[in-house]
Amino acid sequence: EVQLVGSGGGLVQPGGSLRLSCAASGFTFSYYSMNWVRQAPGKGLEWVSYISSSSSAIYYADSVKGRFTISRDNGKNSLYLQMNSLRDEDTGVYHCARVPKFSPADYWGQGILVTVSS
Amino acid sequence: EIVLTQSPGTLSLSPGERATLSCRASQSVSSNYLAWFQQKPGQAPRLLIYGASSRATGIPDRFSGSGSGTDFTLTISRLEPEDFAVYYCQQYGSSPFTFGQGTRLEIK
Repeated sequence: EVQLVGSGGGLVQPGGSLRLSCAASGFTFSYYSMNWVRQAPGKGLEWVSYISSSSSAIYYADSVKGRFTISRDNGKNSLYLQMNSLRDEDTGVYHCARVPKFSPADYWGQGILVTVSS
Repeated sequence: EIVLTQSPGTLSLSPGERATLSCRASQSVSSNYLAWFQQKPGQAPRLLIYGASSRATGIPDRFSGSGSGTDFTLTISRLEPEDFAVYYCQQYGSSPFTFGQGTRLEIK
């Protein structure tokens, strides 16, 4: 069974940092690209970042470029999102999602709550 | 950046009726890499359709996708009670991999 289990969320002040993690199991992690997608309270889905299976291709939404860094450790079956210079508008639930080649995300984690507030 | 505009914002229908949801792109979607997701409150999104018209694994055949280029449609042929949710389209052909703003399908 494919599982994506997130951790690392919480309450942080504006300007602060958090590192989200996503532990993958039930599939060969190193074969798949991965996404981070977020959802502000009561709002729609927003794609945040993408990393290819070998980390050779990395993309970011303009809203997080220069502040967030996506990475992965295939040996640990884990995906990460380092979030710096956090803003109020970064508040929301962050999902990691598996991305097969030439396909959209087919499995999603339940989400990690991030709250940016003073 | 490709902007996806979904319509209507809210659709009120009864079980057994047919639902038609629209997703219009600001420019042509590469290789028709257009997906549809369903999301229920407190749950992660669920992939319904990929490549504009292919059903994902385990998705009932009452869900169908169509369209190409800039105009795409999700059709639910006969609504079941569990189909009332929010639906999002997403293009995954070119970064940034944008989502539409969503269509809320509610029980009339």
